[in-house]
Amino acid sequence: DVKVTQSSRYLVKRTGEKVFLECVQDMDHENMFWYRQDPGLGLRLIYFSYDVKMKEKGDIPEGYSVSREKKERFSLILESASTNQTSMYLCASSRGWGYGYTFGSGTRLTVV
Amino acid sequence: ELKVEQNPLFLSMQEGKNYTIYCNYSTTSDRLYWYRQDPGKSLESLFVLLSNGAVKQEGRLMASLDTKARLSTLHITAAVHDLSATYFCAVAPRLRSARQLTFGSGTQLTVLP
Repeated sequence: DVKVTQSSRYLVKRTGEKVFLECVQDMDHENMFWYRQDPGLGLRLIYFSYDVKMKEKGDIPEGYSVSREKKERFSLILESASTNQTSMYLCASSRGWGYGYTFGSGTRLTVV
Repeated sequence: ELKVEQNPLFLSMQEGKNYTIYCNYSTTSDRLYWYRQDPGKSLESLFVLLSNGAVKQEGRLMASLDTKARLSTLHITAAVHDLSATYFCAVAPRLRSARQLTFGSGTQLTVLP
């Protein structure tokens, strides 16, 4: 089975800190995605990547950046964390166009 | 822009009853996915539907796809408490330039004793 591993299950950070959320997949998938999930708002796409060093903005990229230096790793960076970035963050990967996603276990981030 | 609508958004049902969740989408597609999310957890893949008329079943859940009507259904038979979760459908548009799936808002299912 494909595994998508997110480095932290729970994270508490202070306002203004730079925060790194890491995601690693082990099945050579082309595409990787970062979503945030908030009650009543469903899944919202932040960024995705379809190749090493390639990235595209999703629906809510403001306040975030990403890095994909190796195919298996996709990092989400909060440049200066704010309380409105408190959320559940989900990483996913897929083999390619149109294929289903495998999700990581999620990181619940609290910014205080 | 591809739109995916699920209904209902919230569903309370009694154990032993049957019900159907609907997933409508707005553009041509022949790949549709269903996911389950337990409270506080991530999404797990349930079904992949890859062609018109596709039907998949696992336990008390059965999913089907009608690409002409742009509709997928997730049918629950004789619900049990363990099925309480949020269910998402996700659609892959036929346009190859679109790399991401579009998700519905989710249906929060609560099965009551």
